Amino acid sequence: DTGVSQNPRHKITKRGQNVTFRCDPISEHNRLYWYRQTLGQGPEFLTYFQNEAQLEKSRLLSDRFSAERPKGSFSTLEIQRTEQGDSAMYLCASSLAGTPANTGELFFGEGSRLTVL
Amino acid sequence: AQKVTQAQTEISVVEKEDVTLDCVYETRDTTYYLFWYKQPPSGELVFLIRRNSFDEQNEISGRYSWNFQKSTSSFNFTITASQVVDSAVYFCALGETSGSRLTFGEGTQLTVNP
Repeated sequence: DTGVSQNPRHKITKRGQNVTFRCDPISEHNRLYWYRQTLGQGPEFLTYFQNEAQLEKSRLLSDRFSAERPKGSFSTLEIQRTEQGDSAMYLCASSLAGTPANTGELFFGEGSRLTVL
Repeated sequence: AQKVTQAQTEISVVEKEDVTLDCVYETRDTTYYLFWYKQPPSGELVFLIRRNSFDEQNEISGRYSWNFQKSTSSFNFTITASQVVDSAVYFCALGETSGSRLTFGEGTQLTVNP
């Protein structure tokens, strides 16, 4: 297993278009997270899944954003009717939850950079 | 609400110098975790360390050391004898014990010059 994989790595779109990002986590990891990072800022939490259940969503995740993890493996993040303010790096991370020993140790992908023109 | 402040936006040092990255946090939780992550130019965040709020013992790992002081809500990170490969953005983060969301600081860009 080579780690968390995200695609596409770069996406340029026009305002108003829909975009979808995919994340393939480390295979044995039961938790999957989405974060957003803008230039010069730290990552901001968007949502996370434990297996296929979406357990928490940030207020940052407006109605235009939807995330799924249908079979508890890969996940998709869709942004509808994109706006220029959506331009950011979308980071996916996975972890093996369940014991204090691995709490918070997230394995991140390289991110999907979105540019909305 | 949880908050992490990394007051140093950028630090530039010469190779072999020691450097300390500051992190101050705010939380109302009595139990929590603190983390440091490294983001090299490639962009992939890499986990460095986790500290439980009950454990104030300082930790050393090779050239890296961490100083956790609950009384001042600080979790500082020191790199001894810095190397060019240490150049990256370093993020301090605060997490709930459930292991769900992490709150990251804004990061410190460290540049180590040869």
